[in-house]
Amino acid sequence: AQTVTQSQPEMSVQEAETVTLSCTYDTSESDYYLFWYKQPPSRQMILVIRQEAYKQQNATENRFSVNFQKAAKSFSLKISDSQLGDAAMYFCAYRRRPEYGNKLVFGAGTILRVKS
Amino acid sequence: GAVVSQHPSWVICKSGTSVKIECRSLDFQATTMFWYRQFPKQSLMLMATSNEGSKATYEQGVEKDKFLINHASLTLSTLTVTSAHPEDSSFYICSAGIGQGVEQYFGPGTRLTVT
Repeated sequence: AQTVTQSQPEMSVQEAETVTLSCTYDTSESDYYLFWYKQPPSRQMILVIRQEAYKQQNATENRFSVNFQKAAKSFSLKISDSQLGDAAMYFCAYRRRPEYGNKLVFGAGTILRVKS
Repeated sequence: GAVVSQHPSWVICKSGTSVKIECRSLDFQATTMFWYRQFPKQSLMLMATSNEGSKATYEQGVEKDKFLINHASLTLSTLTVTSAHPEDSSFYICSAGIGQGVEQYFGPGTRLTVT
């Protein structure tokens, strides 16, 4: 079974600075999907970024980018120019190819605090 | 697009009663819906997966007789917590998927408090 590990329960960053959240996963499959979700105090889950394992290029979405290291099974999220609105709990998630199932496997989450 | 709603957003019920939570896909047809449970500052725990018109598939350790899931249409799934107890108090989140699509679209969640 696939597992996702987020080893940082909490992180802090100064406004306008850059922070990196770590995520590692375990799988024997070669093709899969990885996600970062944000859960702000409202608790609405928001998709931040998605990466297909067969794509070598790291995904980026504005201030958010990932460092996808497939061999190391690592998928970190970098937030640049941090803003107060980035404060939230962030979850890393893994999903198999659709033909093998449709469940998301979540990590334990990292609480990100942004200091002004 | 791909908006999922949940109703109610917050419900308080007495111990021993049943409570129903609705999950609706507002602008798409959801072939699959997922129900999660989340405790404060913890991750989402998948409870069950439901496909329209068929029985839900429950995760190991989830009591199917206690957490009744119905996915009667392509836009509506319901979770009924039967004979609720204080330990059932939690935040319940639904999500929906479209066919073989990769993404899940999440509802805003329902806070259940059992007194």
